[in-house]
Amino acid sequence: KNQVEQSPQSLIILEGKNCTLQCNYTVSPFSNLRWYKQDTGRGPVSLTIMTFSENTKSNGRYTATLDADTKQSSLHITASQLSDSASYICVVSDQTGANNLFFGTGTRLTVIP
Amino acid sequence: KAGVTQTPRYLIKTRGQQVTLSCSPISGHRSVSWYQQTPGQGLQFLFEYFSETQRNKGNFPGRFSGRQFSNSRSEMNVSTLELGDSALYLCASSLNPGRSYEQYFGPGTRLTVT
Repeated sequence: KNQVEQSPQSLIILEGKNCTLQCNYTVSPFSNLRWYKQDTGRGPVSLTIMTFSENTKSNGRYTATLDADTKQSSLHITASQLSDSASYICVVSDQTGANNLFFGTGTRLTVIP
Repeated sequence: KAGVTQTPRYLIKTRGQQVTLSCSPISGHRSVSWYQQTPGQGLQFLFEYFSETQRNKGNFPGRFSGRQFSNSRSEMNVSTLELGDSALYLCASSLNPGRSYEQYFGPGTRLTVT
C-alpha cells in the first residue's frame, strides 16, 4: 500500500535553532517528492521538488534530502525564524498513468522567541 | 501574475444542503485539482480537470462532483452535505496535468457543516 509518513507530528523549537523533519514513503514506482509549507488558514506553498536522481535541493534556509534507496527524505531548516511556524507536508508522486499524489499528514512546527 | 483564487473563503451550511465552490487558476494554467483537508486525514485528492474533462478522481462518494469551464475556471459541488464534509477545500492549478508540473495552491474555502 502506498503511504507517506511524517515525523514528528509536531515540533517546538527556539528561534535561531535548526531542525529536521522526516518523511518516509512506500510509494512505488517513485517519481518525485515535494515538500510544501502551509501557513495556518492558507494553501500549501511549494518549497522543493526532487526526482529520483537528486539527493539534495536547497531553497534559502530550507534544504531537502532524498535517499531513494531507503525511501526517506528530510527537510532541514537552518536558523529558524518565527515565520517558519507552519505545517510542512511531504508529497510523493508515483509513475503510474494516473499521476497519483500521496500526501503525508504533515509536521506542525512552532518557532518560539 | 495573480495566484489561484478561491471563492468563497468561508462558508457555513447545514446538513442536507448543497454547496458550490469556485476556483480560478493562474492565468495560462489549464489543469485544476481539488483537495479536501481535515486535521485527522490531511490532504486528500478529490479530482483533477484538464480541458474541461475529468482526468482523475479520488475515493470520494458521488455527492462530490466538479466541472471545468473553457476558461479553465473550475467549480466543485457537494450535495446532501454531511457533518463530516466540514473541511478546508483546496484548489491547485498547474500548467498541464502530470507529475512533472508544479502545482500552485489557492488559499482554500473553509466549509463548516452544522
